[in-house]
Amino acid sequence: DIQMTQSPSSLSASVGDRVTITCRASQSISNYLNWYQQKPGKAPKLLIYAASNLQTGVPSRFSGSGSGTDFTLTINSLQPEDVATYYCQQSYSSPPTFGQGTKVEIK
Amino acid sequence: EVQLVESGGGLVKPGGSLRLSCAASGFTFSSYTMDWVRQAPGKGLEWVSSITSSSSYIYYADSVKGRFTISRDNAKNSLYLQMNSLRAEDTAVYYCARENGQAAGTEFDYWGQGTLVTVSS
Repeated sequence: DIQMTQSPSSLSASVGDRVTITCRASQSISNYLNWYQQKPGKAPKLLIYAASNLQTGVPSRFSGSGSGTDFTLTINSLQPEDVATYYCQQSYSSPPTFGQGTKVEIK
Repeated sequence: EVQLVESGGGLVKPGGSLRLSCAASGFTFSSYTMDWVRQAPGKGLEWVSSITSSSSYIYYADSVKGRFTISRDNAKNSLYLQMNSLRAEDTAVYYCARENGQAAGTEFDYWGQGTLVTVSS
């Protein structure tokens, strides 16, 4: 199975800050990488698919980049409603696997 | 509007069985692969199983293979997960999710609200 490792595990930033979360795959996965946001007590929500494509309805302050083994989720100008845990997920090979999550809080 | 609504969770003793259901609406259910993903309390997301649109291909995580059975009824727009020989480590919120392929690979673009399964004596 492909292992997905996210860093950091948690972060605290101020409103308006630029936040970057990284995700590393244990082998090359091309751009078969998705990002999800999960708010407390809620189901995950798709933010980014195929590494850099913004899902319909997701604010443009979210962006994704990367290919191969290293990927980044960026939140430009962090907002209070962005408090959540963020997960990356690979769909390159079965089984689909998720990173352990990055918890984002407001400082 | 796409909606996925899970039901069937609850408290069950180790070794027991439970059947989860997921009612889909707002899209052509028979055209999509559907999945179950679970989340143990305070933990991350774990893919459990998937079934293609016509049930031709079915896949399971090693952790549930031989104990769980995924199925679907396209006439009823419903997805199911039969869970047998349940263990404490199966305790989790179970989500059904729609699998879509908009670009490279696939993604889980819609999720239900989840149903909690607790395995405890």
